[in-house]
Amino acid sequence: KAGVTQTPRYLIKTRGQQVTLSCSPISGHRSVSWYQQTPGQGLQFLFEYFSETQRNKGNFPGRFSGRQFSNSRSEMNVSTLELGDSALYLCASSSDRYTDTQYFGPGTRLTVL
Amino acid sequence: ILNVEQSPQSLHVQEGDSTNFTCSFPSSNFYALHWYRWETAKSPEALFVMTLNGDEKKKGQISATLNTKEGYSYLYIKGSQPEDSATYLCASPFTGGGNKLTFGTGTQLKVEL
Repeated sequence: KAGVTQTPRYLIKTRGQQVTLSCSPISGHRSVSWYQQTPGQGLQFLFEYFSETQRNKGNFPGRFSGRQFSNSRSEMNVSTLELGDSALYLCASSSDRYTDTQYFGPGTRLTVL
Repeated sequence: ILNVEQSPQSLHVQEGDSTNFTCSFPSSNFYALHWYRWETAKSPEALFVMTLNGDEKKKGQISATLNTKEGYSYLYIKGSQPEDSATYLCASPFTGGGNKLTFGTGTQLKVEL
C-alpha cells in the first residue's frame, strides 16, 4: 500500500506571494489533516478534511485555507505569505475516527524570503 | 487551553540503557493518546494509539502505559540502540469529532555508543 505523498517537497517563495501544497492520502483513507511544524511552536494543527468537508480547524489566520477533492486528495493554500510562514507542512491521513492511526507524509519545507 | 506536556525535553543515554519518558494530558477531556517517533529527515511514525485506562501496548523493545484517571502515559524503551535516537511525540485529540491532534513538544532521545 502506498504511503502518504506530498508535493512539492521543497518550496521557496517571497513575502506576499501565495503557495499551494498538495497531499495524497493512503488509498481508502477519507480524512486528511494538515500540521505546521516550526522550531518554536512544535507541531500545530491547521485543519482536517473528511469527505470533502472541513471537519476541524486550528487557530490559524484566514490566509491558510484548504480543500479536499472527491478522491480524498487535499490541497492547502497560504495567501499573502509572511516570513513567519516558513515551516515544515505535514499532512496526515487516516480512516475516520480519533482512535485510528494517523499516517504522516514526508512534508513540504516552505521557505519565505 | 488544553495542553499536552512531555518530559524530559531531551535525554542522552548509552547503548543498552533502558529509558522512559512521560506524557501528561488533562484527564477530563480524554479520548485517546497517540505516540509517534520522529527521526530526522523522516516522517513521524505512529507507534501506538491508546484509549483505555490501564492499557499497555508493546512494539519490539518499546512499550507504553496509560493512566487516564491521573492524566499521564509512559513510554519505555528497553535496551536502547543508536537507531532509537529520535524525537518521541505524544498527542491527544481532546474531541471525539475527528482527527484534530494536539501534540506535545516531544522528548528528544540520543542514544550513544
